[in-house]
Amino acid sequence: GENVEQHPSTLSVQEGDSAVIKCTYSDSASNYFPWYKQELGKGPQLIIDIRSNVGEKKDQRIAVTLNKTAKHFSLHITETQPEDSAVYFCAASRDYKLSFGAGTTVTVRA
Amino acid sequence: SAVISQKPSRDICQRGTSLTIQCQVDSQVTMMFWYRQQPGQSLTLIATANQGSEATYESGFVIDKFPISRPNLTFSTLTVSNLSPEDSSIYLCSVEEQGTDTQYFGPGTRLTVL
Repeated sequence: GENVEQHPSTLSVQEGDSAVIKCTYSDSASNYFPWYKQELGKGPQLIIDIRSNVGEKKDQRIAVTLNKTAKHFSLHITETQPEDSAVYFCAASRDYKLSFGAGTTVTVRA
Repeated sequence: SAVISQKPSRDICQRGTSLTIQCQVDSQVTMMFWYRQQPGQSLTLIATANQGSEATYESGFVIDKFPISRPNLTFSTLTVSNLSPEDSSIYLCSVEEQGTDTQYFGPGTRLTVL
């Protein structure tokens, strides 16, 4: 089955700086790569996604890049704000089944 | 995106009992999913619940322990049977936006087994 590795497990950044989270996947047939943000006591919230026919996608301060050849994808958050503090999960999907990374706890220091 | 609700939001149960979790979505969806999130961990798919057919379980999850119902296109239940402390987790339902692979999650049910 699909194996998704996510790094780092924790990330502390100064407010206003950028945060980068990286994921690799094992199944070359995976074709959809969402990112979720989970705040304490809440369900995961979809923040951005990318499909295998696209190399990069941006939505305001959030961007995702995908390198199909290397089988890795990354989340970039610019101009971080305290409300960006949360756990972020990457996932890879093949045939609608999502396989999740282990998660990254992001802390934005004021 | 779909609006998903779950009941209960949390519960504390005794060992050996069962808990049934409800998932309601505000629009008709073909595919619903149930996930488990153990404390401090990532999400693991338990099963896929399609209306009108038996749920499809992932490796390590069996119907006797996690029976699922899917009576219509807006509702599903997951029962966690014969509870043990190891079942203490957050249980999440999700739905797929029709034909897109995109999944949206409910708020989760936090289960504590004593």
